[in-house]
Amino acid sequence: ETGVTQTPRHLVMGMTNKKSLKCEQHLGHNAMYWYKQSAKKPLELMFVYSLEERVENNSVPSRFSPECPNSSHLFLHLHTLQPEDSALYLCASSQESGAGTEAFFGQGTRLTVV
Amino acid sequence: AQSVTQLGSHVSVSEGALVLLRCNYSSSVPPYLFWYVQYPNQGLQLLLKYTSAATLVKGINGFEAEFKKSETSFHLTKPSAHMSDAAEYFCAVSYNQGGKLIFGQGTELSVKP
Repeated sequence: ETGVTQTPRHLVMGMTNKKSLKCEQHLGHNAMYWYKQSAKKPLELMFVYSLEERVENNSVPSRFSPECPNSSHLFLHLHTLQPEDSALYLCASSQESGAGTEAFFGQGTRLTVV
Repeated sequence: AQSVTQLGSHVSVSEGALVLLRCNYSSSVPPYLFWYVQYPNQGLQLLLKYTSAATLVKGINGFEAEFKKSETSFHLTKPSAHMSDAAEYFCAVSYNQGGKLIFGQGTELSVKP
């Protein structure tokens, strides 16, 4: 496996369910991110992890709970979601060794909340 | 707050025609600038980036972009469109960390035969 891998690719869940999204990066990067891509809205940065420490939480509701157990893995735990949380959730990673390094994205998890 | 504006949510060109996708940013401090492409049901792939070296940046698939500080712009061009260029294109900026990106709204490019 190379790059950034996200599982599952598609997820349908009810509002009372608990599920988790998984992201794994094989690039040796030291920072990982969760982005939300909703229809007709710009991509929104949700969480930033640098060296496994959460360094940013952009006013995301507590029904989204990230976890970064090591530098290669990132999870997004979901519970009691709302229909408006349906979106494409993208994971990204980067090597923060200097300015201007780019992010590498996974293929995303398409989440539908019913 | 910093922002990125992409003029035109949808651009349609004929195969072989010039592609021009516009991007402007709002900041007094020049950021690092990126163009990403997203094909249907895929993640984002980096096309090119500007990091304060040459103002004309060449990327993959024949795309290039020019950073113009005076116009706070970073427009994406390709001399001759190909059918395979049909996708959504995102302009993004970062200021201190490459993965902390502020995105524009995206421009969907259609290519007609």
